[in-house]
Amino acid sequence: NAGVTQTPKFRILKIGQSMTLQCTQDMNHNYMYWYRQDPGMGLKLIYYSVGAGITDKGEVPNGYNVSRSTTEDFPLRLELAAPSQTSVYFCASSSRQGNEQFFGPGTRLTVL
Amino acid sequence: RKEVEQDPGPFNVPEGATVAFNCTYSNSASQSFFWYRQDCRKEPKLLMSVYSSGNEDGRFTAQLNRASQYISLLIRDSKLSDSATYLCVVFQGTGGFKTIFGAGTRLFVKA
Repeated sequence: NAGVTQTPKFRILKIGQSMTLQCTQDMNHNYMYWYRQDPGMGLKLIYYSVGAGITDKGEVPNGYNVSRSTTEDFPLRLELAAPSQTSVYFCASSSRQGNEQFFGPGTRLTVL
Repeated sequence: RKEVEQDPGPFNVPEGATVAFNCTYSNSASQSFFWYRQDCRKEPKLLMSVYSSGNEDGRFTAQLNRASQYISLLIRDSKLSDSATYLCVVFQGTGGFKTIFGAGTRLFVKA
């Protein structure tokens, strides 16, 4: 099993550009999450999903959108990138809320 | 007050030392507790869950004190490979299901 995979690993965007961060898990987990981690800070939840077709906002959703058309995939869309979105983005999944979360390797995004 | 607060660190210890990390949480209704380990420029990975009775896994011991709302992690006989950031994680099952990650405590183990 690959677990949680994320693409791309690195990306540099110009202000105002858009992009989609891809996340796929092969563990048949219903719960999936997107976090951002800024230097020296804890992970902040952007969006989460409790199953295909169901998504909800986390702590810092502004400037992002998500969709969950399948159990496996949970892409994160950045519209109109801003320097404040420079961060490391982690996707994670779990079998239930409150259980261990399995993380992908992360995407390092820089917005210039 | 932060929902989950950890020792700011960093901790610099020699090999073989015993080191303890503390973490406090604000919501008394929190249900599940974990310690994750995050290596530099890598993703967090579960180190161990924390149970009310306390639990041990080799050189690692986790304790939970619900009355005082704190969690601890003790590492005995530190190895160079223990150098990492340790994240305290709390799951709140009421007042909005959410998992909260502490900012982490960085540990450097030196030869």
